[in-house]
Amino acid sequence: GNSVTQMEGPVTLSEEAFLTINCTYTATGYPSLFWYVQYPGEGLQLLLKATKADDKGSNKGFEATYRKETTSFHLEKGSVQVSDSAVYFCALYYSGYSTLTFGKGTMLLVSP
Amino acid sequence: DAGVTQSPTHLIKTRGQQVTLRCSPKSGHDTVSWYQQALGQGPQFIFQYYEEEERQRGNFPDRFSGHQFPNYSSELNVNALLLGDSALYLCASNPTGPYEQYFGPGTRLTVT
Repeated sequence: GNSVTQMEGPVTLSEEAFLTINCTYTATGYPSLFWYVQYPGEGLQLLLKATKADDKGSNKGFEATYRKETTSFHLEKGSVQVSDSAVYFCALYYSGYSTLTFGKGTMLLVSP
Repeated sequence: DAGVTQSPTHLIKTRGQQVTLRCSPKSGHDTVSWYQQALGQGPQFIFQYYEEEERQRGNFPDRFSGHQFPNYSSELNVNALLLGDSALYLCASNPTGPYEQYFGPGTRLTVT
């Protein structure tokens, strides 16, 4: 079946540091890939997406590239801010099932 | 344009009781999905409704049931509540087809 594996957190960084959160997936067919962010006490917000191999999704300084050969969709940001502190979820969408499959989430803590 | 709304925000119930959670989709969306997010975990798909019928179902017992109304709003019902049902319940909506899902803020259910 479909599954998503994310690196375990928390990831603790100082402001302006470089961020990478690893995400790999297992899926039949060619899924779409997403990163969602969840701030404390809130629901999920779509951060970025990629729908086919080699696509790069980007938003608010975050980027992720859909790598079919390594079945990965790693999230990166060149310079994190305190306001980026949140839990980040990698997810895949396979149209055959019409639902999202999520990873367990990675907590990011950014200190001033 | 209001996004996905859910009610209530928080709920406390006792083991064995029944609960109903409500969701109004984003304007223009006709497909509603429900997810359960246990503490420290990623959301798990419960079921999806389209045209007032359950279209997909995840690995949840029959105690979990739902309904979609002609205006596309939806309810999630859980019978015979267990302590393990304590979680954040998220509703997501999307237009017909393989489009990204938009999430509501969730309902926090605590079972004592």
